[in-house]
Amino acid sequence: RKEVEQDPGPFNVPEGATVAFNCTYSNSASQSFFWYRQDCRKEPKLLMSVYSSGNEDGRFTAQLNRASQYISLLIRDSKLSDSATYLCVVNNYGQNFVFGPGTRLSVLP
Amino acid sequence: EAEVAQSPRYKITEKSQAVAFWCDPISGHATLYWYRQILGQGPELLVQFQDESVVDDSQLPKDRFSAERLKGVDSTLKIQPAELGDSAMYLCASSLASGFNNEQFFGPGTRLTVL
Repeated sequence: RKEVEQDPGPFNVPEGATVAFNCTYSNSASQSFFWYRQDCRKEPKLLMSVYSSGNEDGRFTAQLNRASQYISLLIRDSKLSDSATYLCVVNNYGQNFVFGPGTRLSVLP
Repeated sequence: EAEVAQSPRYKITEKSQAVAFWCDPISGHATLYWYRQILGQGPELLVQFQDESVVDDSQLPKDRFSAERLKGVDSTLKIQPAELGDSAMYLCASSLASGFNNEQFFGPGTRLTVL
């Protein structure tokens, strides 16, 4: 089993829709979690960190479920500009960052 | 806004040739990472530096890959000899420190094609 798993998609949604992605991780000792966004042929950029209590940034909401070992990303009121690949990243203290394979989102007009 | 610089942006080479990539992290960032990203997959860590020291190179194919960060600032990743399977995007990232909550900033990457 891979350390970080994501549904590769693509998720094709109309503008204005709400879409959610999940990411599961295998190492129960994992301590920090992030969502990165990667546009086609560009570098990844941090979208948001994921905190135990959950956090929200505008239209984006991230949740962490330690018991079930998954994190989620919810995007409300999707925009065309949200089309990208969303990478789940997990880190254990003193070890490296492990990236998931990414979930591809296409927001359609 | 400070950025991570990488060069070249694109490299085409024939198998068995040597290639080298350069990365200049954001000023003051002690931690530097080299990742390889194959199309359709997430970035995979090759090597991590803390200042000039290697912290993790467990995934670096040491028979053909080498990396250095001699003065703890910029870094070079070398492949010799290149193989067809090395075709990928090579991403450099830096962070202020190596703590697990530190954001990584990525450079634009070097896209390598091995013919």
